[in-house]
Amino acid sequence: QQQVKQSPQSLIVQKGGISIINCAYENTAFDYFPWYQQFPGKGPALLIAIRPDVSEKKEGRFTISFNKSAKQFSLHIMDSQPGDSATYFCAATYDYKLSFGAGTTVTVRA
Amino acid sequence: DVKVTQSSRYLVKRTGEKVFLECVQDMDHENMFWYRQDPGLGLRLIYFSYDVKMKEKGDIPEGYSVSREKKERFSLILESASTNQTSMYLCASSPPQGGGEQFFGPGTRLTVL
Repeated sequence: QQQVKQSPQSLIVQKGGISIINCAYENTAFDYFPWYQQFPGKGPALLIAIRPDVSEKKEGRFTISFNKSAKQFSLHIMDSQPGDSATYFCAATYDYKLSFGAGTTVTVRA
Repeated sequence: DVKVTQSSRYLVKRTGEKVFLECVQDMDHENMFWYRQDPGLGLRLIYFSYDVKMKEKGDIPEGYSVSREKKERFSLILESASTNQTSMYLCASSPPQGGGEQFFGPGTRLTVL
């Protein structure tokens, strides 16, 4: 049973558009919420992360929005570029163990 | 840069064979992890280790075992490979106070025939 539920499974966006990926969790003990980006043939790499005492974190074109009461968080990719085409995983941490969502494959069309 | 290397990128084995997957990290990290990645399921934790000779079961340990004799090396063992263990296997490491960031290797694509 997946502790972190992620949607959509895949999305296609035009270059310059906004990609939005949503995640939800149940375990209120989670204390760190990272997003990982994975390109074909590579292992996942940390993209951006947030702690539950913060409602939003922005790094360049990537923003995490966090809603603690709803137990939901999302990744927004602004001005999407073809180089952003990858699989994105949300995750949640408790006691240094990560629970991953199922992943979202993002395709950015030029 | 943290580097996590895995012994093979692709591996093909027969049902019933004993399979060893090796992982080495060069950043003196205490914590090491083995995951399997399957489409639609994301990454699932098989085993992890927070110190030499220490190991703990993850979410799906059945059919697997691990060995950590040296700090930099963490091995995943399939005692008797089965077709349902065909998957991508990812190794990761992290410092003890890493706050959740784990550094991943490139993965081993294992096919069991």
